[in-house]
Amino acid sequence: DSGVTQTPKHLITATGQRVTLRCSPRSGDLSVYWYQQSLDQGLQFLIQYYNGEERAKGNILERFSAQQFPDLHSELNLSSLELGDSALYFCASSGPAGYNEQFFGPGTRLTVL
Amino acid sequence: DAKTTQPTSMDCAEGRAANLPCNHSTISGNEYVYWYRQIHSQGPQYIIHGLKNNETNEMASLIITEDRKSSTLILPHATLRDTAVYYCIVRVWDSNYQLIWGAGTKLIIKP
Repeated sequence: DSGVTQTPKHLITATGQRVTLRCSPRSGDLSVYWYQQSLDQGLQFLIQYYNGEERAKGNILERFSAQQFPDLHSELNLSSLELGDSALYFCASSGPAGYNEQFFGPGTRLTVL
Repeated sequence: DAKTTQPTSMDCAEGRAANLPCNHSTISGNEYVYWYRQIHSQGPQYIIHGLKNNETNEMASLIITEDRKSSTLILPHATLRDTAVYYCIVRVWDSNYQLIWGAGTKLIIKP
């Protein structure tokens, strides 16, 4: 158990819909990262937050947005969903120092029908 | 961040040492080598990282060549539970902490 929690575990929805994925980092970790992993693909970095502020952006679509709240949990919002958005979405957290390893949650499997 | 090259897949017998190579010939002086693994769609798990010295922890050893152009992750006594995709990642130790993932090596431990 990494200490990072993600909900829901599975999500099935239809094209055009909007969903919210939630992540709670390890206690004390200030950084939260979101990654997308499509079927049999590597992980793609989406976005990073540090102590409530956006720190870095990767290949995140304009239809996707995220935020980190004062209690440090984070939400990833996916809107106008397309079939190609079906993937595993992982959240990770780490301590403040740049060398700290990232601890990953179990992921949310999103299926868009 | 520097690009890494890993074999697509490898086999290893249970109980033997698994040696996973990674080439990072364009690595620069301020880039670290990180290893993570992912067991069948679970969240990736950190294994080890290093700059230029060899490193060892309870999970594995990391051997980095003197010119830093390649490294080897060693699982000393592989078990069936070590079957996973292993990712070698090279990144700068800076404020942008995101990890850039390649395809990794699928390691299969055979009984």
